[in-house]
Amino acid sequence: AQKVTQAQTEISVVEKEDVTLDCVYETRDTTYYLFWYKQPPSGELVFLIRRNSFDEQNEISGRYSWNFQKSTSSFNFTITASQVVDSAVYFCASLNNFNKFYFGSGTKLNVKP
Amino acid sequence: DTGVSQDPRHKITKRGQNVTFRCDPISEHNRLYWYRQTLGQGPEFLTYFQNEAQLEKSRLLSDRFSAERPKGSFSTLEIQRTEQGDSAMYLCASSLSHSWGQGFAEAFFGQGTRLTVV
Repeated sequence: AQKVTQAQTEISVVEKEDVTLDCVYETRDTTYYLFWYKQPPSGELVFLIRRNSFDEQNEISGRYSWNFQKSTSSFNFTITASQVVDSAVYFCASLNNFNKFYFGSGTKLNVKP
Repeated sequence: DTGVSQDPRHKITKRGQNVTFRCDPISEHNRLYWYRQTLGQGPEFLTYFQNEAQLEKSRLLSDRFSAERPKGSFSTLEIQRTEQGDSAMYLCASSLSHSWGQGFAEAFFGQGTRLTVV
């Protein structure tokens, strides 16, 4: 069975602080995909990144970086020098068996000025 | 193409009424998903289509729910005899799925239809 756990329900930081959002996944499959989505107050889920199970390279995109570790079944997301516009709910999701996405319960990030 | 479009954005209905939502996916996408999201929760899977074929339905989808995707383009989600527990955001997403070994693309989501059953 697929499961995605985001243990942090809500995180509050002050602008310019670094923040890491945790994601732990469970799967029996060797081939799977992991994703991060951002849901701002407007409600639309915005795609941030996709990773497949064969690619454990970490990725950096501007202030965003992702750390994928199969050994700990984790796919963590770090925002460096956070900004107020980063305030949103962030969802980690997995996809395997080429069917549906499983989402975690989300982490609400509050960035205060 | 500006992305996944959902209509209406908001719907308020009385308990017992039927409602229908529409989703227009990104045109070249062959896969279409419906998800439901309640406050403070992540999206929960309802059903998905590969082209016009409905491949899987969640156990969350009772007999009052039906989804279609005629001709593999737009999709509709109908809820009959609505109940207060149906109040939620209904999200549609589309993606381009490839055959085995060629990978799966990310899903792009619409802005959702917020249903309130009073």
